[in-house]
Amino acid sequence: GAGVSQSPSNKVTEKGKDVELRCDPISGHTALYWYRQRLGQGLEFLIYFQGNSAPDKSGLPSDRFSAERTGESVSTLTIQRTQQEDSAVYLCASSPPVRRPNTEAFFGQGTRLTVV
Amino acid sequence: AQSVAQPEDQVNVAEGNPLTVKCTYSVSGNPYLFWYVQYPNRGLQFLLKYITGDNLVKGSYGFEAEFNKSQTSFHLKKPSALVSDSALYFCAVRGPFSGGYNKLIFGAGTRLAVHP
Repeated sequence: GAGVSQSPSNKVTEKGKDVELRCDPISGHTALYWYRQRLGQGLEFLIYFQGNSAPDKSGLPSDRFSAERTGESVSTLTIQRTQQEDSAVYLCASSPPVRRPNTEAFFGQGTRLTVV
Repeated sequence: AQSVAQPEDQVNVAEGNPLTVKCTYSVSGNPYLFWYVQYPNRGLQFLLKYITGDNLVKGSYGFEAEFNKSQTSFHLKKPSALVSDSALYFCAVRGPFSGGYNKLIFGAGTRLAVHP
């Protein structure tokens, strides 16, 4: 596709349930990021995948959060036992290979998660 | 560790006046600097970037930014603000390639309000 695609665009879930968010990066982009944005707030870094290297998980807020990426394709962000504080927009971004670090990242439209 | 600071939560400007949105950064080595804009209920859009060379970078929608190495700043500017420029603006920094990583870190964002 032409851009970063995220699904679903909106997700309402009950507290305690698990959710899975999906991100399809731009083809050929080796770097993939997940960020969380609470209402009216900034971007909170969650996790960064770079090619086949071990991901940088330093931003994951708790062990309820995990993410996977198969090669240089789709990534899924999983939140287990969701809490109301998890309600936010989850943004995915991808960028070209790290040997071109000056290139910008391209963002998806985000998944708006509401935990009720 | 790399970091970005946007010292102003909100900037208010009258239409037609010049605007400045401030950003300072901290990174080891030469930085790659970016500005993104987020309009209401829309994803993040890339505005401009600094790589090397001219300290004054021109980007989309008439925006420009000035890189100042001694002050570690990358302030966003526009000579004449429009009401349609009202949005949330994010500064981001990416450090040099190191150990396979080149993480993109965002500031907290600055809300720009342009009044008629």
